[in-house]
Amino acid sequence: GESVGLHLPTLSVQEGDNSIINCAYSNSASDYFIWYKQESGKGPQFIIDIRSNMDKRQGQRVTVLLNKTVKHLSLQIAATQPGDSAVYFCAENNYGQNFVFGPGTRLSVLP
Amino acid sequence: DTGVSQDPRHKITKRGQNVTFRCDPISEHNRLYWYRQTLGQGPEFLTYFQNEAQLEKSRLLSDRFSAERPKGSFSTLEIQRTEQGDSAMYLCASSSAPGTTSSTDTQYFGPGTRLTVL
Repeated sequence: GESVGLHLPTLSVQEGDNSIINCAYSNSASDYFIWYKQESGKGPQFIIDIRSNMDKRQGQRVTVLLNKTVKHLSLQIAATQPGDSAVYFCAENNYGQNFVFGPGTRLSVLP
Repeated sequence: DTGVSQDPRHKITKRGQNVTFRCDPISEHNRLYWYRQTLGQGPEFLTYFQNEAQLEKSRLLSDRFSAERPKGSFSTLEIQRTEQGDSAMYLCASSSAPGTTSSTDTQYFGPGTRLTVL
């Protein structure tokens, strides 16, 4: 079946460096993507979204890039802080149906 | 607090017992979703409602699982005759249906109910 996956299960970065978390999706019909952050014992928290008619979207310290040609999504976090340590999920949505989540990438920020 | 709320936050039960969880969505959202998440995995879709209507159910939702949203506001998820394999975090999310507002589709999650079946 269609699925969303992540290239790297864990990522360690130095505080202050930029982080890049990658995600591959297989459903070319997906039109909406979200990055979620999940801290231990909490529900997923919305970070940023992007629709399939866009290639890039920026938020506060975060940027999402979408490459539809190779079905790849990435989350860039600028000046990574200790509070960014969490598991990050990408999720895809096909015209308002339920989201399909990848397995997640754990981001560890080193002091 | 105007976010999604879930109750209880934690539930420990013995195998074979029934459990019920509650979700209160964001008030103006007409879609409500249930997901299950096991350790180290992403959330897996179980079912969703638009208003009172249950529009989709995953094959993960066995006949021991039932969800309701009788008045189109809060929802309950019941698991009958719990099994150890039911141990997981049960997440609820809500959103606006496409076309109803300018910020459609985005699902906002509650804190989850962690179920442990002994």
